[in-house]
Amino acid sequence: EAQVTQNPRYLITVTGKKLTVTCSQNMNHEYMSWYRQDPGLGLRQIYYSMNVEVTDKGDVPEGYKVSRKEKRNFPLILESPSPNQTSLYFCASSLYTGGIYNEQFFGPGTRLTVL
Amino acid sequence: AQSVSQHNHHVILSEAASLELGCNYSYGGTVNLFWYVQYPGQHLQLLLKYFSGDPLVKGIKGFEAEFIKSKFSFNLRKPSVQWSDTAEYFCAVNAEGYSTLTFGKGTMLLVSP
Repeated sequence: EAQVTQNPRYLITVTGKKLTVTCSQNMNHEYMSWYRQDPGLGLRQIYYSMNVEVTDKGDVPEGYKVSRKEKRNFPLILESPSPNQTSLYFCASSLYTGGIYNEQFFGPGTRLTVL
Repeated sequence: AQSVSQHNHHVILSEAASLELGCNYSYGGTVNLFWYVQYPGQHLQLLLKYFSGDPLVKGIKGFEAEFIKSKFSFNLRKPSVQWSDTAEYFCAVNAEGYSTLTFGKGTMLLVSP
């Protein structure tokens, strides 16, 4: 089954404790992205990657890191989480060929609470 | 920069009423347009998309949207809503030359039985 998986689905942590949220897709998509969703603000892009070893900042990258060592994986790293990073996080992937951007497939989401 | 504006934050309708959700984008060039839906507790799913061709696009579950280039709009419509359409709806745009997908802030639709 074609899908995007994220782990963990729920996480409660404390300020300053490094954490990683994993994201994996099995559709051989070039493009992967992380979003955060907050009430009244919709989805805002954190980072994206157009292929292996190619990453770039989205609209709200501060406090986050990503890596893309393999095509299927795109982990989101919070080196020193703070309460304002409490949010619902979605990973997504899509084909991106010849400059044509296709629909994104979303993971189930990770609800993060930083105390 | 590309941006998307959704006119209504909350919409409440009775079953069988007609629906139209507004979406406007700001970009003068070629765009790809999307509507996504998020049912309660679930992740986003694609409803429909416009890349080129017929400006009236049909999606899943009886939804359709019309791209009006002169108005920079991509409004979502459904002739008769059902209780199961209760969800949050997001318009999104990818403008030519941009490697990102920009979402609107969403419209929460509540359909009462």
